[in-house]
Amino acid sequence: EAGVAQSPRYKIIEKRQSVAFWCNPISGHATLYWYQQILGQGPKLLIQFQNNGVVDDSQLPKDRFSAERLKGVDSTLKIQPAKLEDSAVYLCASSRLGQHMNTEAFFGQGTRLTVV
Amino acid sequence: AQTVTQSQPEMSVQEAETVTLSCTYDTSESNYYLFWYKQPPSRQMILVIRQEAYKQQNATENRFSVNFQKAAKSFSLKISDSQLGDTAMYFCAFMKHRGSGGSNYKLTFGKGTLLTVNP
Repeated sequence: EAGVAQSPRYKIIEKRQSVAFWCNPISGHATLYWYQQILGQGPKLLIQFQNNGVVDDSQLPKDRFSAERLKGVDSTLKIQPAKLEDSAVYLCASSRLGQHMNTEAFFGQGTRLTVV
Repeated sequence: AQTVTQSQPEMSVQEAETVTLSCTYDTSESNYYLFWYKQPPSRQMILVIRQEAYKQQNATENRFSVNFQKAAKSFSLKISDSQLGDTAMYFCAFMKHRGSGGSNYKLTFGKGTLLTVNP
């Protein structure tokens, strides 16, 4: 089966500019996650979707970050305006919604964002 | 809230030898999953091994095995016969079990251990 697709792989922007990342999860996966991974740290959840509804966005800086998952498939994550501290790798992951148990999360290759 | 701690920022091992990576966690949940993920320079997170907390038997996957000590909240990864391709960041992660209620099944990660396998 095809994996989680993310684009772009790399992005360099100036502070105060805007940027958008795209994720296409594995077909049939109801749950989609966006994680932020700052250099030297483990990934931190930004937002979790179940189908096209938001389950958890408690750590999403809502004054500048937004995300949507139209039709419960593809998702975009936007930052506007970007700050220097937003420099990180943004990982998208998806998983099937198991009936009785959690299922494995599959990750994309991520987008490395550099804000200068 | 759950926390995951990896106390070894970096480790190295000679090819063909065995290495153990440490992980401790804190949670009030009684049923949950623990994972070890590998992240090579390509950045893609790859699941190495998974342990369900209600299972007493330690999980194994070929050269990878875990030592799960539920009472001590410890979850270490042992890599046997290390290979050059094992060089990567290794992350320990926690997820509550679906039966715990709610719908928030996020992975909580530790800070990672950079493992270098030397020829």
